[in-house]
Amino acid sequence: DADVTQTPRNRITKTGKRIMLECSQTKGHDRMYWYRQDPGLGLRLIYYSFDVKDINKGEISDGYSVSRQAQAKFSLSLESAIPNQTALYFCATSDPGGGTSGILAGELFFGEGSRLTVL
Amino acid sequence: AQSVTQPDIHITVSEGASLELRCNYSYGATPYLFWYVQSPGQGLQLLLKYFSGDTLVQGIKGFEAEFKRSQSSFNLRKPSVHWSDAAEYFCAVGDRSGGGADGLTFGKGTHLIIQP
Repeated sequence: DADVTQTPRNRITKTGKRIMLECSQTKGHDRMYWYRQDPGLGLRLIYYSFDVKDINKGEISDGYSVSRQAQAKFSLSLESAIPNQTALYFCATSDPGGGTSGILAGELFFGEGSRLTVL
Repeated sequence: AQSVTQPDIHITVSEGASLELRCNYSYGATPYLFWYVQSPGQGLQLLLKYFSGDTLVQGIKGFEAEFKRSQSSFNLRKPSVHWSDAAEYFCAVGDRSGGGADGLTFGKGTHLIIQP
């Protein structure tokens, strides 16, 4: 089983609908992230969380909200989906281990992605 | 804020030929540096990373990258590409001062095409 699991993997919805993308992880990491990938634009950070009480906006948070239900679960919601939110969404985790010099510092571990199409 | 530039949107190389993918970053100090690969329909897999020390780092699948502080570059290389290397490649930087806590900044990617 994957360490970082995203559901659903694919979703087609209509403009105005509410959509939730879910992410769960078994890596035991405190930090979780949601990225959006668009062709030619790379990955852009939507939200990130250090623990259940610490949620932070990323570069492109408008139109999105998140919930950190537990250390292992981080959900992304589109309250009223619009066509330009059609994209591939990735959840990721990280754990610095030994602080800023830890061997895992900064490294992200990704889920397989959720492809969302808004008609 | 840091930024990453991958100047080449597409690169086509022949199977067996050498490869170099360019990455330039903007950051006040030495950041964390990463290369990730995304095969069609897949998630992102880490190829290699630079934190400190030896500026030439070795990764998986025969890839290597060299950190050049003077040029703010972290170019990815492979001496002989295989058809299975066809994929999207992303360079990324992380904020060392915060231990990478606020995530990574990614370049826009380079699409690698392998000709038979």
